[in-house]
Amino acid sequence: EPEVTQTPSHQVTQMGQEVILRCVPISNHLYFYWYRQILGQKVEFLVSFYNNEISEKSEIFDDQFSVERPDGSNFTLKIRSTKLEDSAMYFCASRQEVYEQYFGPGTRLTVT
Amino acid sequence: AQKITQTQPGMFVQEKEAVTLDCTYDTSDPSYGLFWYKQPSSGEMIFLIYQGSYDQQNATEGRYSLNFQKARKSANLVISASQLGDSAMYFCAMIPQGGSEKLVFGKGTKLTVNP
Repeated sequence: EPEVTQTPSHQVTQMGQEVILRCVPISNHLYFYWYRQILGQKVEFLVSFYNNEISEKSEIFDDQFSVERPDGSNFTLKIRSTKLEDSAMYFCASRQEVYEQYFGPGTRLTVT
Repeated sequence: AQKITQTQPGMFVQEKEAVTLDCTYDTSDPSYGLFWYKQPSSGEMIFLIYQGSYDQQNATEGRYSLNFQKARKSANLVISASQLGDSAMYFCAMIPQGGSEKLVFGKGTKLTVNP
């Protein structure tokens, strides 16, 4: 069964460094998303992406964040200058035309 | 704005018994979708079941069923014949249809299945 994959599974970085989180959505899906979950808290929407552009973003998704689909398979989330409060689990998700969003296994980002 | 409320921070159930996890929602959108996701201790989010607001019948997927009561704005998840592997966090979520793309999640319920 096709699935969303994410790399790396765990990333440790120092405050102020740039990180790129990578996702490979399910191949025939058209809509892509990033969510985050701070430890012990609920999952929060960051951004949605369709037709090579951002379709919606939350107030969390400020200028430090960017997304890109550099080729036909990858979908990336970049954080330009990480802060301690960016430590969280980051989930990529994708969907077809129907509404179910399928999530990847997540990348745990630890900012020290 | 949409809001999801899960009032049970933790639930316990004996193996092979059924359990109901509560979810209420608030929205002004006439059309919306409701979801349940499972998050095991390993951290991944697993899609379980979906209910559209205009669906006439309650959704079922194997041992999972969604008890959808639109007038009460509730979308409770029923797990029948609980298994030890069902122990996990369970999140209820919703999305308006035809507008916003974002899933709005509740805080989750931690289910523990006892042998």
